[in-house]
Amino acid sequence: QVQLQESGPGLVKPSQTLSLNCNVSGGSINIKNYYWSWIRQHPGKGPEWIGYIYYSGSTYYNPSLESRVVISKDTSQNTFSLRLRSVTAADTAIYYCARVMDPPDFNGFDVWGQGTTVIVSS
Amino acid sequence: QSVLTQPPSVSGAPGQTVTISCTGSSTNIGAGYDVKWYQQLPGKAPQVLIFGNNYRPAGVPDRFSGSKSGNSGSLAITGLQAEDEADYYCQSFDNSLTSHVFGTGTKVTVL
Repeated sequence: QVQLQESGPGLVKPSQTLSLNCNVSGGSINIKNYYWSWIRQHPGKGPEWIGYIYYSGSTYYNPSLESRVVISKDTSQNTFSLRLRSVTAADTAIYYCARVMDPPDFNGFDVWGQGTTVIVSS
Repeated sequence: QSVLTQPPSVSGAPGQTVTISCTGSSTNIGAGYDVKWYQQLPGKAPQVLIFGNNYRPAGVPDRFSGSKSGNSGSLAITGLQAEDEADYYCQSFDNSLTSHVFGTGTKVTVL
């Protein structure tokens, strides 16, 4: 059974880069037809899709964040990562990694990490 | 501002049926994109209840059912139980935003 676990700093200074990793256990990140995603949730709000990376390495981002986001994967470590640059207080949220099977507009995000809280503050 | 609108709260007594609506537009649900539903317990990650408008993943009780019509989707919970008290979110794809989008969320209270 695939499990996901986020890791990274819980506090980031404004204007700096937020970096998170998601460790995938119980299955390969290279398995065909899966997208590996980052989703965040501001306090009291609905989730917000940040983007995902396909098993092939193709990336897709939310246009509202695209200019600041990079999602990458490390197949040797079976992890994928999020980098969000030039953060502000508006980026304070719980960040989740999650998985969705192709086609992503039919399937739901079926495996989620427990989430990690990131606070942007000086 | 989410493009998928849900009622902030619904409530029902144990055993009753509650329905949660998810109203979108011609660029998301109305464009033919499927609706998914998630349950989020306090302090936990969302868990998918419904995908493809009306399919349940293995392990999800058949008390949960989904439907779609026009620009909207719906989640029905029949035989409401205390453990169903949670936040519920719908999700779809929007071709104007070119992004997966989530609803505003509905808090279900079991009276």
